[in-house]
Amino acid sequence: GNSVTQMEGPVTLSEEAFLTINCTYTATGYPSLFWYVQYPGEGLQLLLKATKADDKGSNKGFEATYRKETTSFHLEKGSVQVSDSAVYFCALSDQEDSSYKLIFGSGTRLLVRP
Amino acid sequence: DAGITQSPRHKVTETGTPVTLRCHQTENHRYMYWYRQDPGHGLRLIHYSYGVKDTDKGEVSDGYSVSRSKTEDFLLTLESATSSQTSVYFCAISEYSGYGEAFFGQGTRLTVV
Repeated sequence: GNSVTQMEGPVTLSEEAFLTINCTYTATGYPSLFWYVQYPGEGLQLLLKATKADDKGSNKGFEATYRKETTSFHLEKGSVQVSDSAVYFCALSDQEDSSYKLIFGSGTRLLVRP
Repeated sequence: DAGITQSPRHKVTETGTPVTLRCHQTENHRYMYWYRQDPGHGLRLIHYSYGVKDTDKGEVSDGYSVSRSKTEDFLLTLESATSSQTSVYFCAISEYSGYGEAFFGQGTRLTVV
């Protein structure tokens, strides 16, 4: 079946540090890949997405590239800010699944210190 | 922001009582989902709907039922609440796109004592 594995947190960084959060997936069909972010007390917001191999999703300085050969979709940001502190979820949706449901990783908490 | 409202936002209930959570959307999206969020598990799908009166089970559906009598409303019912159903519940909506992008409500924190 389909699944998503992401690195355990929490990840603690100083402001302006480089961020990588690893995400790998297993899929039987053709997945679309997503990163969602959850700020404290809020629901999830789509951060970025990629729908086919070698696509790069980007938003607010965050980037992730859909790597089919390594089944990965790692999230990166060159210089994090305190306001980036949140929980980040990697997710996939199988384009051949008519429910279009999302399958999530367990989430990675990021804490950025001034 | 997508128009999704969950109610109530917080609820404490006793074991064995029925509980209904409501999700209301103003986007006219076809698909609606109920997820639960638990530490170490991310979000897991409980039930989903692909149209009025059309629903199906997700991976953690035991103990839950749903109903969708109107496009804009999706109800999640715990017939007899148990402590293992203490969780944060999220509703999500999606339009048919083939790409699975979903918009989430703010969540309902349910505590079963």
